[in-house]
Amino acid sequence: ETGVTQTPRHLVMGMTNKKSLKCEQHLGHNAMYWYKQSAKKPLELMFVYNFKEQTENNSVPSRFSPECPNSSHLFLHLHTLQPEDSALYLCASSPGSEQFFGPGTRLTVL
Amino acid sequence: GESVGLHLPTLSVQEGDNSIINCAYSNSASDYFIWYKQESGKGPQFIIDIRSNMDKRQGQRVTVLLNKTVKHLSLQIAATQPGDSAVYFCAENMDLSFQKLVFGTGTRLLVSP
Repeated sequence: ETGVTQTPRHLVMGMTNKKSLKCEQHLGHNAMYWYKQSAKKPLELMFVYNFKEQTENNSVPSRFSPECPNSSHLFLHLHTLQPEDSALYLCASSPGSEQFFGPGTRLTVL
Repeated sequence: GESVGLHLPTLSVQEGDNSIINCAYSNSASDYFIWYKQESGKGPQFIIDIRSNMDKRQGQRVTVLLNKTVKHLSLQIAATQPGDSAVYFCAENMDLSFQKLVFGTGTRLLVSP
């Protein structure tokens, strides 16, 4: 285990639902990340937070809204998603170079 | 645009063989590279990294080779075991802040007993 936890592990939601993904790490890392992993595609960086400040938004649609209340927690708020948003959403944290990944949330949008 | 790619999508080996997974990168300014292993149902797990001032780095049963001349990265796994079966990703660091990794599509390694 990497010390990065994600909940829920699986999520099924309709296009009109609002849900949130949670990521937690107590490794003392200052940087946290959200990635999207779709079948047969490279991991896509979505957001980067450094010391609770968002430093990267990789042209992500506004239906994905990140929140970083402190350096140990990261959320991804979801609303009015599309079926093509179905994927594995991975959280990672880093002390500076190497990134430690959580197990991911498998999201299915109906 | 800049990209990280993999030569083979699937590599099948026998238990005990040595495995070599290759990766090409196109950003000559990248200075840090990582190999990750992802097993089914899990997130990527760090295997080994290498900085651009090195050509080779060894870990436990794994070796990473970096050829900056041809922008090529490889992961060698010695005495491959069934537990090594997974998808392997290379990633390159795109900026000096070490925050922006670009990942390849992955190579699936299948190890037969």
